Amino acid sequence: DQQVKQNSPSLSVQEGRISILNCDYTNSMFDYFLWYKKYPAEGPTFLISISSIKDKNEDGRFTVFLNKSAKHLSLHIVPSQPGDSAVYFCAASAMYSGYALNFGKGTSLLVTP
Amino acid sequence: GAGVSQSPSNKVTEKGKDVELRCDPISGHTALYWYRQSLGQGLEFLIYFQGNSAPDKSGLPSDRFSAERTGGSVSTLTIQRTQQEDSAVYLCASNPQSGPNSPLHFGNGTRLTVT
Repeated sequence: DQQVKQNSPSLSVQEGRISILNCDYTNSMFDYFLWYKKYPAEGPTFLISISSIKDKNEDGRFTVFLNKSAKHLSLHIVPSQPGDSAVYFCAASAMYSGYALNFGKGTSLLVTP
Repeated sequence: GAGVSQSPSNKVTEKGKDVELRCDPISGHTALYWYRQSLGQGLEFLIYFQGNSAPDKSGLPSDRFSAERTGGSVSTLTIQRTQQEDSAVYLCASNPQSGPNSPLHFGNGTRLTVT
């Protein structure tokens, strides 16, 4: 069963605007959340993470928000740039499983000039 | 420095044949993970190594799948009697130690096609 869900397979945003990618999870034991970015024919690369003790983490243009009560997190990219076009994977992990990552199916972001 | 290296990058095999996929993690990384991504799916966890031992094999889809790691470094994922549903991109990742504050470094994957 899919414990991490990304319900939007794709998203298109104009350059300079905000991109918001959403992720929901079902396992309340998850205590660490990450976003990975993937270009075609390459492996995913780590983007940003957040611990369950926080509700926001910011790194430059990227901010991740966590709403534990709703079991929801989101990635905001502001301002969006064409080079941000990629597939974004949400991932969650828990101490009891050795922090092995559970990934969503990904959201393909297209930033248009 | 060198990242995670996987070989081959592409593999086409006939149904019923065995295949071996190789992963060379970043030097010094003790934790190694195998994932696969089937068409239209997310990354599915297969197995995780801490050193040479595999504390978590829960993701291996069937007993046709096995993996080993020797010398705390190179790992091989073996699929016996391949089936068409095994077609996927197989990704290897490593990190200095398992834990939340150590994000995974992924290789570029092996694209396996079973005909």
